[in-house]
Amino acid sequence: GIQVEQSPPDLILQEGANSTLRCNFSDSVNNLQWFHQNPWGQLINLFYIPSGTKQNGRLSATTVATERYSLLYISSSQTTDSGVYFCAVSWSLQLTFGKGTKLSVIP
Amino acid sequence: EAQVTQNPRYLITVTGKKLTVTCSQNMNHEYMSWYRQDPGLGLRQIYYSMNVEVTDKGDVPEGYKVSRKEKRNFPLILESPSPNQTSLYFCASSPHRARPFDNEQFFGPGTRLTVL
Repeated sequence: GIQVEQSPPDLILQEGANSTLRCNFSDSVNNLQWFHQNPWGQLINLFYIPSGTKQNGRLSATTVATERYSLLYISSSQTTDSGVYFCAVSWSLQLTFGKGTKLSVIP
Repeated sequence: EAQVTQNPRYLITVTGKKLTVTCSQNMNHEYMSWYRQDPGLGLRQIYYSMNVEVTDKGDVPEGYKVSRKEKRNFPLILESPSPNQTSLYFCASSPHRARPFDNEQFFGPGTRLTVL
């Protein structure tokens, strides 16, 4: 099956700093999504982005499908951004998740 | 309110005692799926369903069963739970069975299962 690798596995930021999370995948995919899991376990869909760039407030994502990677940018981080960020790729009717990047934003 | 509900939210049980985790969505979605989340492994898909009476295996189906008798419900059944099934379980739904991941997926709140 498709392999999804995320980096870094852990990230600690000072509030206000910017960060870039990376997702590499091993094969062609139909789609790619980014999720945020907050400290209470809730999963929130941030972007679905098979290619190109999308922005939503302080968050933006870029996927370069031909090179099989995606980047999630977080600008001016806030403590509420803490949690685990997952990249997930879809092929056929299945969704494969990476292992996540655990982000801790400290005041 | 559009939502996916799961019950129970927390469950501690013993090896071999059959259990069912229910999942229900009120959005008339065609596609539903179950995932388990384990530390350091992310989420892995257990089973999915494209519509009523249509189910298929995901990446880690061993030890689980599902059914889809009604569009809104997609229960996860553990016939004989074992300790390695201790995990956090998520149910999710999506509107379109043909391209379920082109739209936002709605996740339930999760069920934390401990098998002793």
